[in-house]
Amino acid sequence: ETGVTQTPRHLVMGMTNKKSLKCEQHLGHNAMYWYKQSAKKPLELMFVYSLEERVENNSVPSRFSPECPNSSHLFLHLHTLQPEDSALYLCASTSGYPSYNEQFFGPGTRLTVL
Amino acid sequence: QQPVQSPQAVILREGEDAVINCSSSKALYSVHWYRQKHGEAPVFLMILLKGGEQKGHEKISASFNEKKQQSSLYLTASQLSYSGTYFCGTADYGGATNKLIFGTGTLLAVQP
Repeated sequence: ETGVTQTPRHLVMGMTNKKSLKCEQHLGHNAMYWYKQSAKKPLELMFVYSLEERVENNSVPSRFSPECPNSSHLFLHLHTLQPEDSALYLCASTSGYPSYNEQFFGPGTRLTVL
Repeated sequence: QQPVQSPQAVILREGEDAVINCSSSKALYSVHWYRQKHGEAPVFLMILLKGGEQKGHEKISASFNEKKQQSSLYLTASQLSYSGTYFCGTADYGGATNKLIFGTGTLLAVQP
């Protein structure tokens, strides 16, 4: 596979469930990001990892917990979410951090919290 | 502070031109442009760095006015494939992180 992949593509969960989103990049990049995209809102940066270290935590509630075990994989662990957390969650990667190179996005996970 | 994009939406006929603007209240180092088609991931179009440069690729080009803290995306002789939501992402000066702040997007619909 090439580029940035995300699984699952769709997820429906109850507020008491625990689930994880997975992102994998095959581009040899050294920085990875989680974004949240809600309807009629701009892309919101959630977390940034560079060389497997978290370098940005954008005031995200603790019910979202990221994990970056290596430079190719990024996870977002979810627990006790709220209905307003329903959104498209996008993963992205880039090279040469910190810099301003283009970001490559995955297809996203469409999350619905019931 | 997120950048402001205008217009929010635009409908074109094939072959018509469009301009999408992106304004920031902060001094900018760079501006990124992305296009997202419905149900797909955002796709990178171009980056403009400080210095007022202008870039272009075929019929899509952009300019960056550092002093005005603005960037504009120009779509010439639009094609059906140009339809989608266009986002600008801005990076400000002195940022120690590679952090983009994205605008609210401009929905572009090109009709036959």
